[in-house]
Amino acid sequence: DAKTTQPPSMDCAEGRAANLPCNHSTISGNEYVYWYRQIHSQGPQYIIHGLKNNETNEMASLIITEDRKSSTLILPHATLRDTAVYYCIVRPRYNFNKFYFGSGTKLNVKP
Amino acid sequence: NAGVTQTPKFRVLKTGQSMTLLCAQDMNHEYMYWYRQDPGMGLRLIHYSVGEGTTAKGEVPDGYNVSRLKKQNFLLGLESAAPSQTSVYFCASTFGLGGSDYGYTFGSGTRLTVV
Repeated sequence: DAKTTQPPSMDCAEGRAANLPCNHSTISGNEYVYWYRQIHSQGPQYIIHGLKNNETNEMASLIITEDRKSSTLILPHATLRDTAVYYCIVRPRYNFNKFYFGSGTKLNVKP
Repeated sequence: NAGVTQTPKFRVLKTGQSMTLLCAQDMNHEYMYWYRQDPGMGLRLIHYSVGEGTTAKGEVPDGYNVSRLKKQNFLLGLESAAPSQTSVYFCASTFGLGGSDYGYTFGSGTRLTVV
């Protein structure tokens, strides 16, 4: 399974875009990129996922490089409530038994 | 629609005691999972189930047992609790094959302390 590398922490000013990078240089062709976040000590929350095309939903945008070796999660207008740990995960779609969480990136949104 | 409900939310056990954590989901999900999260760390998979009557081991299964007698419930048992099992336990569920792939829905967690 592809492993991911994320910076341990990032800061972002409230109202600005937060760009969270993820490196997955060993990703294989059938593996999707998923993003989750965990606010304080709550259960993780699904944000977005994609294969190779850029994706957007009401929460965020996902930009995947053409070679698929890295991706960026974009929160367009970060708020204080977006302060959380963000996890980037890669796994084959519908292979629900290989969903491993790393340490993630702690995003600190500051006023 | 409650989603994934975990009970209890908090528990303190003495070493050697046993207990069962209950996870219930009302979304008709096929797959269910138990994770543990230690302070400052990511989630680690304990056991999972791909359907009623099935269970399988994850990354860290030792010291735990599970059962999935009904589709909506997934139980995690600790037969003889140890301090190393002090952690936050999360249950998750998802549709599985053929279903909508929006990832997992997680419960709010059970905070277990073993003294």
